[in-house]
Amino acid sequence: DQQVKQNSPSLSVQEGRISILNCDYTNSMFDYFLWYKKYPAEGPTFLISISSIKDKNEDGRFTVFLNKSAKHLSLHIVPSQPGDSAVYFCAARTGTASKLTFGTGTRLQVTL
Amino acid sequence: NAGVMQNPRHLVRRRGQEARLRCSPMKGHSHVYWYRQLPEEGLKFMVYLQKENIIDESGMPKERFSAEFPKEGPSILRIQQVVRGDSAAYFCASSLGTAEAFFGQGTRLTVV
Repeated sequence: DQQVKQNSPSLSVQEGRISILNCDYTNSMFDYFLWYKKYPAEGPTFLISISSIKDKNEDGRFTVFLNKSAKHLSLHIVPSQPGDSAVYFCAARTGTASKLTFGTGTRLQVTL
Repeated sequence: NAGVMQNPRHLVRRRGQEARLRCSPMKGHSHVYWYRQLPEEGLKFMVYLQKENIIDESGMPKERFSAEFPKEGPSILRIQQVVRGDSAAYFCASSLGTAEAFFGQGTRLTVV
């Protein structure tokens, strides 16, 4: 039972353009959502998060949008840079301190 | 990310041996989580611990796997009588309990 889904296993974007990574969830009890970035042979690195009481959170080039009615969130990266090439994981949790449920990841490749 | 220390980074065990994975959380963090990532898959939750207590072990296999987080020292994930299917990357994360979880670099376990 995959409660957090990232339906696009890979995405290729040109440098300077916008990257949009999508994530859907099924558990309406999730109240906090996070995005992590992962390079090969390294641990996930926290990028940005959003509480369910908000619909947008922005941090520099990264913006996360949450549509609760559609149970959908997205991560926008603009402008995309070659160093952004990595696997991006969407994660969600219910309540503070609880476990994170991860999606299967989207591999982003930013080309020159 | 560098604040959560995991060792060893790589561990090779023969079938039937024991594997011990260690995790030192970030300074001041009392919440520790263990996740496993199989090849080409997302991160799967295994266990959530606070000092001397297991809070949620719903992701732990019922047999051969155990975890502890003693009052002093690192958290330990222990796998007894390893099998080939245990080969994976094991990640530890820590948090303050009210915010984001930060991950270590992981331990890559190979069972031969």
